This record gives sequence, structure tokens and C-alpha cells, in this order.
Amino acid sequence: EVQLVESGGGLVQPGGSLRLSCAASGFTFSSYWMHWVRQAPGKGLVWVSRINTDGSSTNYADSVKGRFTVSRDNAKNTLYLQMNSLRDADTAVYYCARGNGYNAFDLWGQGTVVTVSS
Amino acid sequence: QSVLTQPPSASGTPGQRVTISCSGSSSNIGCNTVTWYQQIPGTAPKLLMYNNNQRPSGVPDRFSGSKSGTSASLAISGLQSEDEADYYCAAWDDNLNGFVFGTGTEVTVL
Repeated sequence: EVQLVESGGGLVQPGGSLRLSCAASGFTFSSYWMHWVRQAPGKGLVWVSRINTDGSSTNYADSVKGRFTVSRDNAKNTLYLQMNSLRDADTAVYYCARGNGYNAFDLWGQGTVVTVSS
Repeated sequence: QSVLTQPPSASGTPGQRVTISCSGSSSNIGCNTVTWYQQIPGTAPKLLMYNNNQRPSGVPDRFSGSKSGTSASLAISGLQSEDEADYYCAAWDDNLNGFVFGTGTEVTVL
């Protein structure tokens, strides 16, 4: 089955760190750009980051630049998001998504919840 | 941050046509393709339209997309109860060097 499954979310204190994982299956993971998108409670979708097929190129939203790092392990079919210096405003459901050739996110995971609170 | 503007809500009765607008700028919609996503509350978003007006396999032809200048729109013809959801437009922004989403539109079937 073609799917993405996120994990690693949880409760963390402000200033803390968390690493999210996204396990891909059912498709050739190494052929696709991958993205992270988040959604704060009751709010809209916000793009967070993307990484190219071999991990050599990354982009970030200004709100997370310098604090978050996206990476991938194509041998393990897994996407990661290392989140440091977490803030209350980072509280959200984090989705990983597959990018297609039309700058569209054509496959989404179910999301993992990150709560930043003291 | 949302730099694409959508109306917060839209509604219609079953069978009606509903249109959702998405207003951007020359750095996003004006020079890049638009995608649309449907999100039923509590679930992950789903790709509804890509490359301005292309439907992925499985998306009913009741959904159509268009783009003109720095704006785009999504139309739902023959509105059905299962179309109740939040809808988001998105595009790459050349100035921000990242993707931007719309503010989202909640569609209600009366």
C-alpha cells in the first residue's frame, strides 16, 4: 500500500528539541521530493520545509529557518525533521507529504501532534 | 504565513454550484501553478487539483480549477453532502523561496 506514516510527536518544553520521522512505503521513495507541512490547532495549513531526492538541497519557511533541519535516508525510506529551540508557536499537527512534478503534494501522512508547552 | 487570500466560508444547497477564489501576487500565482487541497476536519489534506486545472485520478469531474493572472478559483458543480470540508489553495512563491497556502475556505452544504 502506498502510504506515509509519521511518528515522533509529543509534548516538549519551550526551548526543547524533537525529531519527527516519516516512513514511506509502496513507492520509490528516492525518486520524490518530500515536504513537511504543519497545522496549528484550528488554523490553516503552513508549509515548513522540503528536501530534494538525494538530500542535497533543502528549503525552509522563514519561521523555522535556523531551528529546523530536514533530512532523509533513502536506504530506510524515511524522512526526518529535527526541530530545535521549539516555541509555543510550533505547536501543531505535522504532516509529511510527497511532492510531484507539478509542485503538488499528492500523498499525505496522517500527521503527528507536537505540543510545545511548559 | 498565508499570503494567498480565500473567503472564509462558502455554502450551497445540494446540486448547486459553489466557487472559491484564491488571490495572490506576481511572485506566486502570477508565475507558478496553483494546487487545491480538500481537508475534512480531523483528517489529512487530500490533493484535489494540480497544475491549475488538472484532477488527480479519483477526483470527480464536478471539481474544476482555473487561473487568471494573480488569482485562481475552484468550482464545485452539483454540490454534494460529502463536499463539506475545508479547501486550501497553494503555490510556490519565488520571493519567499517556499510554498504558500491560502487562508482556507470552509464549504457548508445547507
